[in-house]
Amino acid sequence: QKEVEQNSGPLSVPEGAIASLNCTYSDRVSQSFFWYRQYSGKSPELIMSIYSNGDKEDGRFTAQLNKASQYVSLLIRDSQPSDSATYLCAVNRGNTGKLIFGQGTTLQVKP
Amino acid sequence: DADVTQTPRNRITKTGKRIMLECSQTKGHDRMYWYRQDPGLGLRLIYYSFDVKDINKGEISDGYSVSRQAQAKFSLSLESAIPNQTALYFCATRGGAGETQYFGPGTRLLVL
Repeated sequence: QKEVEQNSGPLSVPEGAIASLNCTYSDRVSQSFFWYRQYSGKSPELIMSIYSNGDKEDGRFTAQLNKASQYVSLLIRDSQPSDSATYLCAVNRGNTGKLIFGQGTTLQVKP
Repeated sequence: DADVTQTPRNRITKTGKRIMLECSQTKGHDRMYWYRQDPGLGLRLIYYSFDVKDINKGEISDGYSVSRQAQAKFSLSLESAIPNQTALYFCATRGGAGETQYFGPGTRLLVL
């Protein structure tokens, strides 16, 4: 079992729809969770971080965390073609100072 | 100016050559990391450093070495490059509120 798992996709949604990206993790002691966006050939860019159970909203993005289910998700409302990218879920491994990344989900937003 | 810089941005080399990839940061973070990214394999950690005197192997350190010359500089070396080290390499720093990790722009390496 991978430490951080994501469906590789591609996830295809029409412009204006809600895109839902999911991530599960195996380390129960993880406390910090991050979503990065990566355009092809570019470096990952932080979108959201979340540390507590529940929802955290930032503009069109909402991160959701459920530690009991070891599940973190990212919702993108009013999806735009410019949101088309690979989204990486990252989980802090215990107290090691290391982030473990999922393989990423490719999102395609069609006009 | 970018907070995390990498040089070179692109490099073509031949099998057996020694090369060095450099990373500099102005964020003042103690923690620095080197990753490689390959299609379908995601980001894999090569080495990481929590300060100048603390360097640790990641999950794929074989064939690589690192040097932390200063808090702001962390270099990755390929002692004898081989074709399967062809990849996109990222340097990252971590710190600040929430211990956020920030990536450099990447170095695209091709080993012939």
